Amino acid sequence: AQRVTQPEKLLSVFKGAPVELKCNYSYSGSPELFWYVQYSRQRLQLLLRHISRESIKGFTADLNKGETSFHLKKPFAQEEDSAMYYCAIRPPAGGGNKLTFGTGTQLKVEL
Amino acid sequence: DAGVTQSPTHLIKTRGQQVTLRCSPKSGHDTVSWYQQALGQGPQFIFQYYEEEERQRGNFPDRFSGHQFPNYSSELNVNALLLGDSALYLCASSAPGTGRTGELFFGEGSRLTVL
Repeated sequence: AQRVTQPEKLLSVFKGAPVELKCNYSYSGSPELFWYVQYSRQRLQLLLRHISRESIKGFTADLNKGETSFHLKKPFAQEEDSAMYYCAIRPPAGGGNKLTFGTGTQLKVEL
Repeated sequence: DAGVTQSPTHLIKTRGQQVTLRCSPKSGHDTVSWYQQALGQGPQFIFQYYEEEERQRGNFPDRFSGHQFPNYSSELNVNALLLGDSALYLCASSAPGTGRTGELFFGEGSRLTVL
């Protein structure tokens, strides 16, 4: 069974400090991985996906197949980064909309 | 574009009752999925509709059923409500051909409380 683990419910950092949100997954194969974000009073939305190898709002995520991890990183946290972050996976090649989400990490950036 | 819209936003039911939740996808989207999000948990996939048929299903009992209409809107029905069905129900839509990208557009959800 596929599973996503986000070990931290809450992560608090100071503005300008580096951020790392942890995500580990279990899946027999090579799933597709995503980070979704929910800002206060907004809808859940896609932040980035591993296949795009993109940097969005300064965030990057590296897939480590050996450690089955997909940690989200940003070198310098900003106040507007405060939000709930969810890591998600889905089966490769046409997994449709069946995403498996982790329990989420609340990021709080303090001034 | 209002994006994905869901109704009602909140509702309260008692055990054993039935509930219907509604969703209109984002303009131009043809695929609708439903997720259940219990308090403190991530969204959990219920099922996906495309071309008015259920295409994928998560680990939910048959009490959970759905429908998609020709205009791509969708309904989620839950029969014989249990206390454990209390949750936020999220609808998500995706555009044609974006099955590869995995980008879902979520609604604000319908919060169901079962007493």
